[in-house]
Amino acid sequence: DQQVKQNSPSLSVQEGRISILNCDYTNSMFDYFLWYKKYPAEGPTFLISISSIKDKNEDGRFTVFLNKSAKHLSLHIVPSQPGDSAVYFCAASDLGSGGGADGLTFGKGTHLIIQP
Amino acid sequence: DTAVSQTPKYLVTQMGNDKSIKCEQNLGHDTMYWYKQDSKKFLKIMFSYNNKELIINETVPNRFSPKSPDKAHLNLHINSLELGDSAVYFCASSQAATDTQYFGPGTRLTVL
Repeated sequence: DQQVKQNSPSLSVQEGRISILNCDYTNSMFDYFLWYKKYPAEGPTFLISISSIKDKNEDGRFTVFLNKSAKHLSLHIVPSQPGDSAVYFCAASDLGSGGGADGLTFGKGTHLIIQP
Repeated sequence: DTAVSQTPKYLVTQMGNDKSIKCEQNLGHDTMYWYKQDSKKFLKIMFSYNNKELIINETVPNRFSPKSPDKAHLNLHINSLELGDSAVYFCASSQAATDTQYFGPGTRLTVL
């Protein structure tokens, strides 16, 4: 039972263009969402987060959008750079019921490839 | 400086053996976690632990046990290793259970 879904296993984008990574969730109790970036043979690195009281959070080239009614979030990277090539994981947490002590629920990841 | 470190990075062992993976964080965080990334690439929580409480994912076999000698360390001990235990194991930490988690580099365990 996948509570967090990333339906695109991979995405190829040209350098300089916008990369849009999508994530859907089914658990309406989730109220905190995160994106992690992962290079091969390394652990996930925190990128950006958003709480359910917001619909947008921006940090430099990275913006996360949250649509609670659709249970959908997306990560926009603009402009895309070669170093952005990595696997991106969407994760969610239910802070209201005790927080991340139950751990984060991760999607399966999307492999982003930035082409020169 | 490495914030969350794990040793070893690679671990190859025979079925039936007992092994441990060490995790240390120098962030001063109160809560630590172990995740397992299986062959289908899903990252799933196994344990979360702070000095007050251990929360165990009910799907984790009791052959797995976390041991915390102090707040900065949460080691994962595995008894009677099975083929299905082969995976990458990630340690993580956060300031509080409600905060962003920071991950270690992972330990690839291969059981032969």
